[in-house]
Amino acid sequence: GIQVEQSPPDLILQEGANSTLRCNFSDSVNNLQWFHQNPWGQLINLFYIPSGTKQNGRLSATTVATERYSLLYISSSQTTDSGVYFCAVDKYNNNDMRFGAGTRLTVKP
Amino acid sequence: DAGVTQSPTHLIKTRGQQVTLRCSPKSGHDTVSWYQQALGQGPQFIFQYYEEEERQRGNFPDRFSGHQFPNYSSELNVNALWLGDSALYLCASSLRPGEAGNTIYFGEGSWLTVV
Repeated sequence: GIQVEQSPPDLILQEGANSTLRCNFSDSVNNLQWFHQNPWGQLINLFYIPSGTKQNGRLSATTVATERYSLLYISSSQTTDSGVYFCAVDKYNNNDMRFGAGTRLTVKP
Repeated sequence: DAGVTQSPTHLIKTRGQQVTLRCSPKSGHDTVSWYQQALGQGPQFIFQYYEEEERQRGNFPDRFSGHQFPNYSSELNVNALWLGDSALYLCASSLRPGEAGNTIYFGEGSWLTVV
């Protein structure tokens, strides 16, 4: 099956700093999503982005499908951005998503 | 627009017991998938239901079974619980498999502790 690697595993930032999270995947995909998991466990959709670039407020994401990686950018980070960020992929668009191990982000005031 | 709802939110079971978890998909969605997330790990796909049939299955034993009802809601059953089944169980809903642009949405999860 597809392998998904996320880096870095842990990231500590000061409030206001910018960050880039990376997701590498081992095969072509038809679905790629970024999620934020809050401290209570809920996975919140950030982006559906199998290719191209999208922006939503302080967050943006880019997927370069031909090179099999995706980047999530967080600008002007806030303490509420803390949590675990997951990248998940699906080769055939059947939604049996394969998740990476996540990046744990801590934003300090 | 109702999102994905799961119940119960927390439960404690004893080894060897059986548990049933429930999920209602997001309005307009007809496909339900279940995931298991152990502490410190990413979610792992258990299985997916569409048109009341199991369509895909991850690497989980037969102790894990499910059901989908005509209203698209779903249940996850786990028999003969053991300590390693302690995890967050997540339900995800989506449009039918293979649909282009198919975004999945997760519920808040059910925290299962086996003692």
